[in-house]
Amino acid sequence: DGGITQSPKYLFRKEGQNVTLSCEQNLNHDAMYWYRQDPGQGLRLIYYSQIVNDFQKGDIAEGYSVSREKKESFPLTVTSAQKNPTAFYLCASSKGQGAAGGPQHFGDGTRLSIL
Amino acid sequence: GESVGLHLPTLSVQEGDNSIINCAYSNSASDYFIWYKQESGKGPQFIIDIRSNMDKRQGQRVTVLLNKTVKHLSLQIAATQPGDSAVYFCAERPLLGGGADGLTFGKGTHLIIQP
Repeated sequence: DGGITQSPKYLFRKEGQNVTLSCEQNLNHDAMYWYRQDPGQGLRLIYYSQIVNDFQKGDIAEGYSVSREKKESFPLTVTSAQKNPTAFYLCASSKGQGAAGGPQHFGDGTRLSIL
Repeated sequence: GESVGLHLPTLSVQEGDNSIINCAYSNSASDYFIWYKQESGKGPQFIIDIRSNMDKRQGQRVTVLLNKTVKHLSLQIAATQPGDSAVYFCAERPLLGGGADGLTFGKGTHLIIQP
């Protein structure tokens, strides 16, 4: 089945540690996105990529980094500079950018906690 | 502040009744709107979308209404079923080429189905 796969489902980070969240899609979508969701809140955009080898900061990029070396993959690294990393992280993709790109489709998330 | 928001954090309806979930938006530059359903521990699931050149769009058991004059969006669910219990988010997306290319989400409305 076509879709977006995020792994792991649960992740624990120690102080000072960087961790990487995986996001893979087989929908042949050009655009990919990372969002953060805190309890009782909507989603906030961390980073997005409209095409391979290109990505842009979203609203809350500080303490995070991404890469887009392949169309199918858009991993997110939560660095030690992110002082409040505990959240539910969601990856999404869409055919293209803007309204013409259609809706974004989401994976089932990674829940990150601090040890 | 929030560009997109929802009027009620929780909505309780009887099984079989119709549900109406409301959303107000403030960014008049947005012309594409999406409703998502999110179940506990999962990513948002696309329900229906609408562009600003439309006032109404229907899907299976769902209808989205857009009132651009008062910047209001609503989702109507007909004959609500237990499986409809979830948090519902509205989201807006800017026109192609406008700013950050991610969705702006409201905080969500938790729909509770009473037996």
